[in-house]
Amino acid sequence: EDKVVQSPLSLVVHEGDTVTLNCSYEVTNFRSLLWYKQEKKAPTFLFMLTSSGIEKKSGRLSSILDKKELSSILNITATQTGDSAIYLCAVEAHKYGNKLVFGAGTILRVKS
Amino acid sequence: NAGVTQTPKFQVLKTGQSMTLQCAQDMNHNSMYWYRQDPGMGLRLIYYSASEGTTDKGEVPNGYNVSRLNKREFSLRLESAAPSQTSVYFCASSQTGLLNWREGIEQYFGPGTRLTVT
Repeated sequence: EDKVVQSPLSLVVHEGDTVTLNCSYEVTNFRSLLWYKQEKKAPTFLFMLTSSGIEKKSGRLSSILDKKELSSILNITATQTGDSAIYLCAVEAHKYGNKLVFGAGTILRVKS
Repeated sequence: NAGVTQTPKFQVLKTGQSMTLQCAQDMNHNSMYWYRQDPGMGLRLIYYSASEGTTDKGEVPNGYNVSRLNKREFSLRLESAAPSQTSVYFCASSQTGLLNWREGIEQYFGPGTRLTVT
């Protein structure tokens, strides 16, 4: 059974803190891992990772994949209240062709 | 360019009633998807359509049917709603093609439909 597990389930930090969100997976025929940010409504795409050890970066957000450990981390530095959201990890798995299997998400709340 | 649109935004049904959720995309994407999102469970794939004219079951298809009306539109039907179908439903699309599966795996999501079945 393909599975994606995210940790922690929820997190409260203060503005300016750095956070690390984790995603681990067990899937058949891994192809890629994606991170999404979900605020009030639809998830919006952040990163797609296919190769181990190569960091993807966008502003204060960065992410890296470790295929040996079957995991990925999403880092957010100098957090702002606008970073408050659910962060979803998804893996492109063999079970449904190239469809995505999502983790339950990490709820991040940044306090001012 | 509206992206992915869904209607309605909210709906309350009684057990046994039927309804259809509508989804349309204007990005000329090949693939479309229906997910449900429940607290603590992330997004789960209900049905997907890899291209116009094809549909396939996802992880949780029971109690649902879909129609890929044309390349733009993909609807989800609940024939006899049950309280267990209370959820937020998202439609998504991607450019994923049959030959170039690596390109365009990124999915774009609609704003969601919050459905309550009493």
